[in-house]
Amino acid sequence: EDQVTQSPEALRLQEGESSSLNCSYTVSGLRGLFWYRQDPGKGPEFLFTLYSAGEEKEKERLKATLTKKESFLHITAPKPEDSATYLCAAMTTDSWGKLQFGAGTQVVVTP
Amino acid sequence: DAGVTQSPTHLIKTRGQHVTLRCSPISGHKSVSWYQQVLGQGPQFIFQYYEKEERGRGNFPDRFSARQFPNYSSELNVNALLLGDSALYLCASSSLIAGSSYEQYFGPGTRLTVT
Repeated sequence: EDQVTQSPEALRLQEGESSSLNCSYTVSGLRGLFWYRQDPGKGPEFLFTLYSAGEEKEKERLKATLTKKESFLHITAPKPEDSATYLCAAMTTDSWGKLQFGAGTQVVVTP
Repeated sequence: DAGVTQSPTHLIKTRGQHVTLRCSPISGHKSVSWYQQVLGQGPQFIFQYYEKEERGRGNFPDRFSARQFPNYSSELNVNALLLGDSALYLCASSSLIAGSSYEQYFGPGTRLTVT
């Protein structure tokens, strides 16, 4: 059975304190691994797509990486405005319209 | 350019009633997917429509149905509402043109409360 698991469930950081979020996936065949940011009561906001092991993408203080079994979202020198829930999702090779999401990591950055 | 739009923003219904949720995709996008997000969980896939045809269905009962119109907008219908249907319903659009990415862009969602 396809599965996406995120850890930790919650993360509390001081402003400037870098950290990493983990997304492990067990799927029959990976078409792509997606990262989203979600603010309370709003729809997920697209961040990155990774398609092959070894791929890396960056955007401001965020950097996503992909291996054959997991993906990491690195937050470098976070600011309070980086506080949000970060979701990862896998799209399998037998589907091009279905994202299978993890439960998310809730990140709180304090000044 | 306008993003994905959804209506209504909030909705309160009584058990047993029926509800229709609406979604307009990003201009030029032909694929619409629907998701249900219960508080504290990640979104769960309900349906995908592409070129007005159903292309994928998640593990939801037959009370859930959807359709896509010629202008690529979409409706999600839920019959015989249960308390457990209370959730944020999300619509996502993607272009899915051959050779392009598979990125899905989400709307703001419709918050459905069933009492």
